[in-house]
Amino acid sequence: DAGVTQSPTHLIKTRGQQVTLRCSPKSGHDTVSWYQQALGQGPQFIFQYYEEEERQRGNFPDRFSGHQFPNYSSELNVNALLLGDSALYLCASSLSASGYNEQFFGPGTRLTVL
Amino acid sequence: GDSVTQMEGPVTLSEEAFLTINCTYTATGYPSLFWYVQYPGEGLQLLLKATKADDKGSNKGFEATYRKETTSFHLEKGSVQVSDSAVYFCALLSGGSYIPTFGRGTSLIVHP
Repeated sequence: DAGVTQSPTHLIKTRGQQVTLRCSPKSGHDTVSWYQQALGQGPQFIFQYYEEEERQRGNFPDRFSGHQFPNYSSELNVNALLLGDSALYLCASSLSASGYNEQFFGPGTRLTVL
Repeated sequence: GDSVTQMEGPVTLSEEAFLTINCTYTATGYPSLFWYVQYPGEGLQLLLKATKADDKGSNKGFEATYRKETTSFHLEKGSVQVSDSAVYFCALLSGGSYIPTFGRGTSLIVHP
């Protein structure tokens, strides 16, 4: 059973560009959350998708947007990249009906903005 | 709002030493508590969890007890190995919330 997968592994962009990151959830999971983890920090919640809708959003600007597809996979889009967007972006999946809402994390996409 | 405070790292130990990583929290109600581990170059893995007061979570020799009176969830291991070198994150999930709140992480370095 494949766990959460993310692509690409690494990405280098320049300021002002746009980027799309992809996530496939663990088999059987229907909910996908995205986190930004700056160097030396804990993950910061960006948003969560369930039933192809954004269910909850953290304190991130509108430059960060997302999408969930019918097969539950998800994309994170970031427009007008800033140097401060350099971070590890983590995707986590969970089953909405589970009592703990336990999240399983992917290995992340390392984004570097130059 | 909810918050998690972890002891600052790095924590540097020799193999077979005893480990404690402190974690305290602030939350409304009775949250679930978690420890995640992040090995170099990887994402987070759930290490253990506890969902109510006095519960003890355990996995791979690690333990943590949910202490409501001190709002703490300290991580312990009796004898660390070099392979335990990683960053450890304490997190909480408030009742009714879908989103865990993470601490800043504590780096553990174990020397042979």
